[in-house]
Amino acid sequence: KNEVEQSPQNLTAQEGEFITINCSYSVGISALHWLQQHPGGGIVSLFMLSSGKKKHGRLIATINIQEKHSSLHITASHPRDSAVYICAVNTDKLIFGTGTRLQVFP
Amino acid sequence: NAGVTQTPKFRVLKTGQSMTLLCAQDMNHEYMYWYRQDPGMGLRLIHYSVGEGTTAKGEVPDGYNVSRLKKQNFLLGLESAAPSQTSVYFCASSHIPGQVLNSPLHFGNGTRLTVT
Repeated sequence: KNEVEQSPQNLTAQEGEFITINCSYSVGISALHWLQQHPGGGIVSLFMLSSGKKKHGRLIATINIQEKHSSLHITASHPRDSAVYICAVNTDKLIFGTGTRLQVFP
Repeated sequence: NAGVTQTPKFRVLKTGQSMTLLCAQDMNHEYMYWYRQDPGMGLRLIHYSVGEGTTAKGEVPDGYNVSRLKKQNFLLGLESAAPSQTSVYFCASSHIPGQVLNSPLHFGNGTRLTVT
């Protein structure tokens, strides 16, 4: 079993929809990261969380330390949000989930 | 600030050749990592370093060596390249997790390596 599990693996949405991507982990962590990777592109850090909730524009990330679970929400999705979203957790090293491929259609 | 710089961006090697990938960061980060990304497999940790002069093995270290002689540089070496090492390689860096608030990960733009 992977130490970091993401769901769903693939997600399609219509423009304007509310999107949720989930991340569960089975190890003790000091922080959790949400990352974005566009096709053929580099990897960009969206959020780093150790507790609670963070918001940046249309993106919201939450974490529940007791349940070892985090969610990334995108409100009013747009085609430019199409990308792979990756969850990563800090132990003594970084452990990545396999990513969620999101496609938003106009 | 340049952030995290990886060189080269592209490289084609023949089986058995050697090369070194360079990762440089100018943010005074303690932690540095080398990952490979393959289709359908996500990012897999090759080696990492928690400080100057220290390195540790990750999930897929075989066939690679690393060095962290200077805090700002983390080198990844392939002594005898194999076709299985065809991949996209990413370097990342960060402060010590939990010690610096709002310290995200910083990634290089990747190195696309093909071994024929």
